[in-house]
Amino acid sequence: DQQVKQNSPSLSVQEGRISILNCDYTNSMFDYFLWYKKYPAEGPTFLISISSIKDKNEDGRFTVFLNKSAKHLSLHIVPSQPGDSAVYFCAASARNSGTYKYIFGTGTRLKVLA
Amino acid sequence: ETGVTQSPTHLIKTRGQQVTLRCSSQSGHNTVSWYQQALGQGPQFIFQYYREEENGRGNFPPRFSGLQFPNYSSELNVNALELDDSALYLCASSLGTSVYNEQFFGPGTRLTVL
Repeated sequence: DQQVKQNSPSLSVQEGRISILNCDYTNSMFDYFLWYKKYPAEGPTFLISISSIKDKNEDGRFTVFLNKSAKHLSLHIVPSQPGDSAVYFCAASARNSGTYKYIFGTGTRLKVLA
Repeated sequence: ETGVTQSPTHLIKTRGQQVTLRCSSQSGHNTVSWYQQALGQGPQFIFQYYREEENGRGNFPPRFSGLQFPNYSSELNVNALELDDSALYLCASSLGTSVYNEQFFGPGTRLTVL
């Protein structure tokens, strides 16, 4: 049972344009969401997070939007740069679950074309 | 500041064998989480250790066990290896067990079971 889904395995975007990565979840208990970026041969690195009390969080070129009613979040990267080419994972957590546990999606491979 | 390191980088074992993977936490971090990332999947939570005690476990059988040492480094042990155990094993350290404590991932150990 995949509680966090990233339905697009890959995405290609032209440099300078907007990249939009999507993530859906099924568990209504999730109340904290994160995006991680992973380069080959490296561990995932934290990018940005959002709590369920917000619907938007922005950090420089990265913005995460949360639509709780649709159980959907998205990551916007503007403008996209070739260095953004990586695999992006969304992750979710239920703070009251009793364990410090992130549920990850399967990832989206972003390729930014120069 | 030294990041999270893992050893070995790669490992090949045969079915039925036992394996020990090692993780050194980032300096000052008292919490370590282990994840299994199968090919084409996102990381799956195995368990977490906080101050040498297990602090939560995912849906993995008892043949997956762990240890955390007084210096907060950690080991993941897998007994009776199965072919499906082939995966990238990631450890992540953090300053505490809250979901708000950023997890810093190591580069992973690639385990192949033949």
